[in-house]
Amino acid sequence: DQQVKQNSPSLSVQEGRISILNCDYTNSMFDYFLWYKKYPAEGPTFLISISSIKDKNEDGRFTVFLNKSAKHLSLHIVPSQPGDSAVYFCAASEWGAQKLVFGQGTRLTINP
Amino acid sequence: ETGVTQTPRHLVMGMTNKKSLKCEQHLGHNAMYWYKQSAKKPLELMFVYNFKEQTENNSVPSRFSPECPNSSHLFLHLHTLQPEDSALYLCASSQATSDQETQYFGPGTRLLVL
Repeated sequence: DQQVKQNSPSLSVQEGRISILNCDYTNSMFDYFLWYKKYPAEGPTFLISISSIKDKNEDGRFTVFLNKSAKHLSLHIVPSQPGDSAVYFCAASEWGAQKLVFGQGTRLTINP
Repeated sequence: ETGVTQTPRHLVMGMTNKKSLKCEQHLGHNAMYWYKQSAKKPLELMFVYNFKEQTENNSVPSRFSPECPNSSHLFLHLHTLQPEDSALYLCASSQATSDQETQYFGPGTRLLVL
């Protein structure tokens, strides 16, 4: 039972354009959501997070949007840069729980 | 540099071998985790330690034995593994003082069981 799903295994975007990565979840008890970025041969690196009391959180080129009614979150990267090419994972946790539930990941490729 | 280191980075072992994975965090955190990532699967939580005490075992087979001697170090002892245990093993740490924690990951150990 996949509680966090990233339905796009891969995404290709032109440099300078906007990249939009999507994530859906089924557990209504999730209240904290995170995005991680992973390069080959490295561990996941924390990128940005959002609490369920918010619907948007922004950090530089990265913005995460949360739609609780649709149980959907998205990560926007603008403008996209070649160094953004990586696998992106969304993760979620319940209030007070230390267990992160991860999606399968989306491989983002930024084309020059 | 995430402040979480893991050794070795790569490991090949036979099914009768005994080996250990090591994780060290330099972030002053008090919670540590082991995750497993198999090919084409999401990361799966294995164990959670808070202040050196194991607080979660996510139905992990006993051939995986964790050890947390202090808040900065975490080990995963491996014995009589199976080929299907081949995977990337990731260690993470967090500051377990708030209800919403961010976990920081090490680079992982890529394990191949022959």
